[in-house]
Formats: sequence, C-alpha cells, structure tokens
Amino acid sequence: AQSVAQPEDQVNVAEGNPLTVKCTYSVSGNPYLFWYVQYPNRGLQFLLKYITGDNLVKGSYGFEAEFNKSQTSFHLKKPSALVSDSALYFCAVRDSGNTPLVFGKGTRLSVIA
Amino acid sequence: EPEVTQTPSHQVTQMGQEVILRCVPISNHLYFYWYRQILGQKVEFLVSFYNNEISEKSEIFDDQFSVERPDGSNFTLKIRSTKLEDSAMYFCASSEIGQGGNTIYFGEGSWLTVV
Repeated sequence: AQSVAQPEDQVNVAEGNPLTVKCTYSVSGNPYLFWYVQYPNRGLQFLLKYITGDNLVKGSYGFEAEFNKSQTSFHLKKPSALVSDSALYFCAVRDSGNTPLVFGKGTRLSVIA
Repeated sequence: EPEVTQTPSHQVTQMGQEVILRCVPISNHLYFYWYRQILGQKVEFLVSFYNNEISEKSEIFDDQFSVERPDGSNFTLKIRSTKLEDSAMYFCASSEIGQGGNTIYFGEGSWLTVV
C-alpha cells in the first residue's frame, strides 16, 4: 500500500526567506511523486512531479523539489518565499500506471510580509 | 490551457435527496477520477473510471455512489441518498493513459452541503 506523510500541519516563513515543505512516502515499487497547491476555495493545482532521472525537479512559480530515494523523501522548496505562496500544499504518490494518487494530509504554508 | 470543469460550484441539499455532480474532463484524457475533501482536510480518492467502467474504487465509494459517462464529454457522480457526512468538496480529475508519471489534473470542485 502507498502512503504519504507530511509531518508539519503548518509552516511559517518570512517573505524573502527560503521555504521547505516536507514529504516522505512509502511505495512498493518505483515512486511517482507529485506536489499540488490549493488556494482558498479553489481546486488542486499541479506544481511539479518526479518520474525518473534528475533528483531535483523544477516546477511552476519558482518551486522545486528534491527526490531522495534513501530517505524516501520529496521535499518542496523555494529559494525566496512570496506572500502569494501562502496556501495549502499536498504531496501525492502513486506506484504505477493509472492508479489513483494517494495524498498526504496537507501542509498550510503561511508567508509573512 | 485545457482544464477540467465542474458544475455546480456549490449545492445545498436536504438529507436523503439525490445529488448529481457533473464534470467535463480534458478532451483527450481517457482516465477520470472523483476525489473528495472534507473541510480543507485530506484529499480522499473515491473512484477511477476508464473505458466506460469503474477501474478502482475506495471504501468510501459504497452503494450510495455511482458514476456515469452519459455522453462523449460529461462524467457524473451521483449520490443516491445524501447523508450529513457527505458534505464535502468533490473534485473531478482526469489524465492521459500513462506509466505512472502522467499528471492528474483537477477541476475547481463542487462544494456539497447536506442539511
């Protein structure tokens, strides 16, 4: 069975500082990892994904994520946070084909001016 | 950019009533999904649909739920007799067929309130 853990319910960061939102996963096969962002009363917006290859994945709005197989982690990062980055962030995983994504519980990011 | 569209955006219904939530997936996508999210919490898988039949379903997707692709564009979720605990945001999603790395794109959601 697949699972995702997002250990922090809330992350607070000052505008301009780097941010990290943590995610660890568990799958039986090769992982396909995704990050989505949800703004208030909106849908889930795709940010980036890891399939294979380079462990550092770049995505939308300046976000990137680092895949670490030995630590089974896929942390989301951004070098310089913006107030507009404040939202709910979800990590998700699947192990193959068109199986459903399994989501973490989400981490609320608050960027303070 | 193509997107998944959902209607209605918000529906209030009485307990015991039937509800149909509608979705238009991205046109060249062949896999369709319904997920739900209760009050900004975890996003939970309900059902996936491919080639006019259910591919997978979760424990949440019991006999009260059904899905249908009534024509070439719409994908619907029906809740036969709504309960208070069905109050949630319901997301439709779609993807191309792939090996696992294909992205699932989500709609803006239908907020269902059961009173």
